[in-house]
Amino acid sequence: GAVVSQHPSRVICKSGTSVKIECRSLDFQATTMFWYRQFPKQSLMLMATSNEGSKATYEQGVEKDKFLINHASLTLSTLTVTSAHPEDSSFYICSARDPRRYSYNEQFFGPGTRLTVL
Amino acid sequence: AQSVTQPDIHITVSEGASLELRCNYSYGATPYLFWYVQSPGQGLQLLLKYFSGDTLVQGIKGFEAEFKRSQSSFNLRKPSVHWSDAAEYFCALGYGGSQGNLIFGKGTKLSVKP
Repeated sequence: GAVVSQHPSRVICKSGTSVKIECRSLDFQATTMFWYRQFPKQSLMLMATSNEGSKATYEQGVEKDKFLINHASLTLSTLTVTSAHPEDSSFYICSARDPRRYSYNEQFFGPGTRLTVL
Repeated sequence: AQSVTQPDIHITVSEGASLELRCNYSYGATPYLFWYVQSPGQGLQLLLKYFSGDTLVQGIKGFEAEFKRSQSSFNLRKPSVHWSDAAEYFCALGYGGSQGNLIFGKGTKLSVKP
């Protein structure tokens, strides 16, 4: 149980285009989903937290107009990188939690999406 | 403010040797602590977690960790390392109450010598 998927696993796009990344909880309902960014050889940095049906809460320094997050259902959250530029190239990882079923801040992570902006 | 420190950036051990990865945390309340492993280009897999109770917790793949409140530590151990254990290891602290946030250490890269 507690499987999270991400799609696509890898995407290459041209500068100025927008890219959408999907995060799905496959066998549980995720009331909260998290989006992280990871630069090479570095740790995960939380970008935003989204609760189903609510606006996402962005961490300080993360541009909410650039990184659009939608959590429309209990099993799906999307991250859209708008007008992507090379500096947005990174590894994006989502996670999900269901506090009704898994307590104590336990999060389940997707396999990640490698974004390369040319 | 809460924080997680992994003092070792890179550790190399011989296959079959024992392993200990260090993790120290700073948090004013009861900590929820996790160890995750990440293989190159992959997401994170949960190795083990500590919420309360027994301070020695067992995880998957033969890993264990010991919570020491007096030392604010949650070190990860394995008695005999296998080549497949080579990966990046992250210690994480749960905070934020109902939000369920995690803060990660910078990670320790484990290399295994044949």
